[in-house]
Amino acid sequence: KQEVTQIPAALSVPEGENLVLNCSFTDSAIYNLQWFRQDPGKGLTSLLLIQSSQREQTSGRLNASLDKSSGRSTLYIAASQPGDSATYLCAVIAGGTSYGKLTFGQGTILTVHP
Amino acid sequence: DADVTQTPRNRITKTGKRIMLECSQTKGHDRMYWYRQDPGLGLRLIYYSFDVKDINKGEISDGYSVSRQAQAKFSLSLESAIPNQTALYFCATSTGGYGYTFGSGTRLTVV
Repeated sequence: KQEVTQIPAALSVPEGENLVLNCSFTDSAIYNLQWFRQDPGKGLTSLLLIQSSQREQTSGRLNASLDKSSGRSTLYIAASQPGDSATYLCAVIAGGTSYGKLTFGQGTILTVHP
Repeated sequence: DADVTQTPRNRITKTGKRIMLECSQTKGHDRMYWYRQDPGLGLRLIYYSFDVKDINKGEISDGYSVSRQAQAKFSLSLESAIPNQTALYFCATSTGGYGYTFGSGTRLTVV
């Protein structure tokens, strides 16, 4: 059974800092990996999708990397802003016989203070 | 319009009542899903459907049922609501391995 762990569970930083959120997964036979953002009581917004054949994906100030063999992904946020405050969720998309199944981590709660 | 639309956005219902949550999508995806989110438990899969004739139970299907009325519509029913079904419910769509799109969620409170 795939298990996804996100570290840290919560992070509080001053505005302007660069930061790294970590995601690890136990079964490396993944298809893709997707990072989401969730504002309190709101839906999930897709940030980045990394295909298993890729090493990284970038969108604006966000950069996500994937190391399938070691079962790790990181989300790098550059020059953080108060508007980045949210919960960040890592989700692994299964391959093989469970193709397409999504397994979430518990999330990292990020607070960026002015 | 949103790619994945859920109705209602918020609902308060009484124990024992039947309630239906609806989801429609304009993504053209074949696969649709229902998740619930509880504090400390993360997102858990209730039911999923790979096409109109294919319905599958997820991790926590007891007390729930679903109907896939069309490729674009997937509804979740609570036959007899109970307080521990109070949660945030999400509908999602996907094409398989190429990423998921989530709706804005339905906040359900059972009193």
